[in-house]
Amino acid sequence: SQQGEEDPQALSIQEGENATMNCSYKTSINNLQWYRQNSGRGLVHLILIRSNEREKHSGRLRVTLDTSKKSSSLLITASRAADTASYFCATESGGYQKVTFGTGTKLQVIP
Amino acid sequence: NAGVTQTPKFRVLKTGQSMTLLCAQDMNHEYMYWYRQDPGMGLRLIHYSVGEGTTAKGEVPDGYNVSRLKKQNFLLGLESAAPSQTSVYFCASSYPSGLDLGETQYFGPGTRLLVL
Repeated sequence: SQQGEEDPQALSIQEGENATMNCSYKTSINNLQWYRQNSGRGLVHLILIRSNEREKHSGRLRVTLDTSKKSSSLLITASRAADTASYFCATESGGYQKVTFGTGTKLQVIP
Repeated sequence: NAGVTQTPKFRVLKTGQSMTLLCAQDMNHEYMYWYRQDPGMGLRLIHYSVGEGTTAKGEVPDGYNVSRLKKQNFLLGLESAAPSQTSVYFCASSYPSGLDLGETQYFGPGTRLLVL
C-alpha cells in the first residue's frame, strides 16, 4: 500500500511561476524525502526533511512538514522548463530503511 | 565514478522465460534495493539488501529472487516471467548513517521489461 499520496497528480504552469506539490501520509515517520524523475530516467534525490523539522530550503526548493496533519509540501519557485518532471515524496518509518514512495506529481513547465 | 548502473536497459521476454537483471554500484554502499514502477502506482519495493550475503523481502516479492554475493552487485531474477511483470525496474543504493537519520537513495537509470 502507498504511504505517500501526492496532490495534484498533474500540474501545468508557465515558466517563472511557482509550483506547489503536496504529499500526505498515513503513519508516523522519521523523515520525508522528495525525489525528481525526468522522463525515462531514474529518480534523483532533492531534499530530506526530518520529523523534528518544519521547513527546509535548498536553492529554489522549499519543503515544509506538518507532522500533526501528516503532510508535506514542495514549493519550486521561479520555475524553469528544465523543472518539467515527475516529483515523488518518500516517507521513511521504522528501522532498516523502510522507505515508501508516493504515486507522484507530474509537473509540466511551459516555456 | 559511475554511480548505480543497470543492465540490460531493455528486454523483451516470452511468458515462462527466465532472466537476471544486474545492478552495480561503485559507491561502497551497504544497502541496495530493487523497485518496480508501474503507471499510477509509484515505486514499489521488491527486495532489498542491508549487506553482502543478506537479502529481505519488500512489498511485492512474489515471482522474484535476489542475490547479493558481492557488496557492489545486487541481482534480480525472474524464474518464470509473467505478463504482470511487465514494468520498469529500478535499482537503488544507499549508505546507512544510522537509524532515524535517513539516507539518500541513489537510483540507476532503469530496465524496461516487456513480457509477452
